[in-house]
Amino acid sequence: DTAVSQTPKYLVTQMGNDKSIKCEQNLGHDTMYWYKQDSKKFLKIMFSYNNKELIINETVPNRFSPKSPDKAHLNLHINSLELGDSAVYFCASSLQGWDQPQHFGDGTRLSIL
Amino acid sequence: QKEVEQDPGPLSVPEGAIVSLNCTYSNSAFQYFMWYRQYSRKGPELLMYTYSSGNKEDGRFTAQVDKSSKYISLFIRDSQPSDSATYLCAPQGGSEKLVFGKGTKLTVNP
Repeated sequence: DTAVSQTPKYLVTQMGNDKSIKCEQNLGHDTMYWYKQDSKKFLKIMFSYNNKELIINETVPNRFSPKSPDKAHLNLHINSLELGDSAVYFCASSLQGWDQPQHFGDGTRLSIL
Repeated sequence: QKEVEQDPGPLSVPEGAIVSLNCTYSNSAFQYFMWYRQYSRKGPELLMYTYSSGNKEDGRFTAQVDKSSKYISLFIRDSQPSDSATYLCAPQGGSEKLVFGKGTKLTVNP
C-alpha cells in the first residue's frame, strides 16, 4: 500500500506546454512538500504546505503553482515549460512540520524537448 | 560556505567493509539530523533520525553527530550489496527547512 504516490511517473513534453503532477499521501500527515532533484542529484525544496496552507515558497518561478485541495493531496502545475525544468520532482509528507521525518514518493521524471 | 557539504564520492567498497559517510554543516541552529537512502530511480527513504549531539545505532547503521564541530557521520558495518545507494545527510533546526547534502553514491561489491 503506497504511502506517497505521484502521477505520472514519466512526463515528456515540449517547451512552452503546461503540465500538472499529482501527489497523494495516505499517511494522515499534515505537511506536504515538493522537491526538485536536478541532473546532479541535488535535492532542493520548492514548496511546503501545512494542512492545505502554503508555508514555504523557495524562490520558485511563478510558472510553478502548487494546489492543495485537501491535506492528503498536493498537486503541482507548471506553465510554459522551459528546458531548465527538466528534472525529477519529488513529493513528500511529514506528520507535522519540518522536524518530523519525511516520506517521499518515487518521483516524476520530467523531460522537456 | 554552503549550508551542507557532503563528499559526493563515488565510494566503492568490498562486501563486509565498514563504510563511513560524512557531512559538515554551517548552521548552528540545526538540531535534528537525518540520513536518507536513495536507490536508483526511487525516492529518498529515511534511514536514521537523531536529535542533537551523540550516537544512535540501528542494526548495522550508526549515526554520529558532533555539534561542536558541525560534523555528521553515518557508519555502515558489514556492508552488503543491498546497501548500494546514494546516501543523503539532511540536518534541520526548529522552523528551518530541511537542507539536503548532495549525496554520496556508495557501491558495495560482492
